[in-house]
Amino acid sequence: GAVVSQHPSRVICKSGTSVKIECRSLDFQATTMFWYRQFPKQSLMLMATSNEGSKATYEQGVEKDKFLINHASLTLSTLTVTSAHPEDSSFYICSARDTLGAIGYNEQFFGPGTRLTVL
Amino acid sequence: QKEVEQDPGPLSVPEGAIVSLNCTYSNSAFQYFMWYRQYSRKGPELLMYTYSSGNKEDGRFTAQVDKSSKYISLFIRDSQPSDSATYLCATTGGFKTIFGAGTRLFVKA
Repeated sequence: GAVVSQHPSRVICKSGTSVKIECRSLDFQATTMFWYRQFPKQSLMLMATSNEGSKATYEQGVEKDKFLINHASLTLSTLTVTSAHPEDSSFYICSARDTLGAIGYNEQFFGPGTRLTVL
Repeated sequence: QKEVEQDPGPLSVPEGAIVSLNCTYSNSAFQYFMWYRQYSRKGPELLMYTYSSGNKEDGRFTAQVDKSSKYISLFIRDSQPSDSATYLCATTGGFKTIFGAGTRLFVKA
């Protein structure tokens, strides 16, 4: 099956610093990638939709200047949390849509997630 | 009202039990219905998907959709401790996927 990787898997940073998280589709091309945030014992909350070569679409309530998304190639999207604060501590998960998928509903494949802890 | 409602549990069952997980959704335009399994501190993995109403079986797992009542179910037969995870239902009628809150399942040996 299709594989999506994320790096790093875990990061601890000081308040006020910026953190970059990478999401890669390893064996397929993904024109669209999604970024989710998940707090403990809660569901996935879509933050933004990342389209290759264009600006990301952010969900209501998500600060686009704080969560910078870049989707420069068909296999890589990055999420940068700028000036991170303790309340940004969460589990960040990306997913990639296989644009050539034969299933029909454009299956999403999820990365393993990145646990961010801001001290 | 949330677009997809799912009881977060937790649900605890003995090994070998039949597990029933359920969700309801509000938008009749949704066409695809999925179940994801998420182990602790991991990303979700797709278990099954169905299109429109009906049943779909894959080994010990059966997914069921009743569009008339907007009800989605996942049944796990002969549950195993390795089935312990959070199960998320999801649906999509277009571009975005909408997830339920996830039900935490514990299967005790």
